[in-house]
Amino acid sequence: GAGVSQSPRYKVAKRGQDVALRCDPISGHVSLFWYQQALGQGPEFLTYFQNEAQLDKSGLPSDRFFAERPEGSVSTLKIQRTQQEDSAVYLCASSLAGVTEAFFGQGTRLTVV
Amino acid sequence: AQSVTQLDSQVPVFEEAPVELRCNYSSSVSVYLFWYVQYPNQGLQLLLKYLSGSTLVKGINGFEAEFNKSQTSFHLRKPSVHISDTAEYFCAVSGFNKFYFGSGTKLNVKP
Repeated sequence: GAGVSQSPRYKVAKRGQDVALRCDPISGHVSLFWYQQALGQGPEFLTYFQNEAQLDKSGLPSDRFFAERPEGSVSTLKIQRTQQEDSAVYLCASSLAGVTEAFFGQGTRLTVV
Repeated sequence: AQSVTQLDSQVPVFEEAPVELRCNYSSSVSVYLFWYVQYPNQGLQLLLKYLSGSTLVKGINGFEAEFNKSQTSFHLRKPSVHISDTAEYFCAVSGFNKFYFGSGTKLNVKP
């Protein structure tokens, strides 16, 4: 596609609900990143994929967060038993390879009520 | 470890005036440096990047930045801002398979 696509754009979840956020990277991009952006803050790293391999998940805040990219293209970020502190914008980015440049999607705004 | 500091959380400026948004970084290795812009309810758009070579980097929308290794800075400048430049600007450094972002500077251009 022309850019990184994320869906849904907005998600409201009741506390305790599970959510799944989808990211369609730019076709052919090897690297994929997930970031969490709290209100008024800069994006914080969550996890990194190279093709289907999750090479770095050091930023995932708890074991309630899980990400996958089974075929090396589309990725899903899953949050189980959502809590209010999970409310944030979740950004996905992709790059041809590595960290010389990344293209970001428009993000998914998650609100946990 | 790498980190980025954006000293100014908000910068008000009048239209057609020059502006400088400050960014300092710390890193134990060679880095790549970036400036991104974020409009309300949007993702991040790349303004410019420094990978190597000339320390003065020109980007989109008339922005430029200068890499200063001795001062570990990468300040963003524009000689004459427009109302449409009102947005939040993030400085970032990359390394070890991730990007590290600053806390952002909100640029508010007034008529």
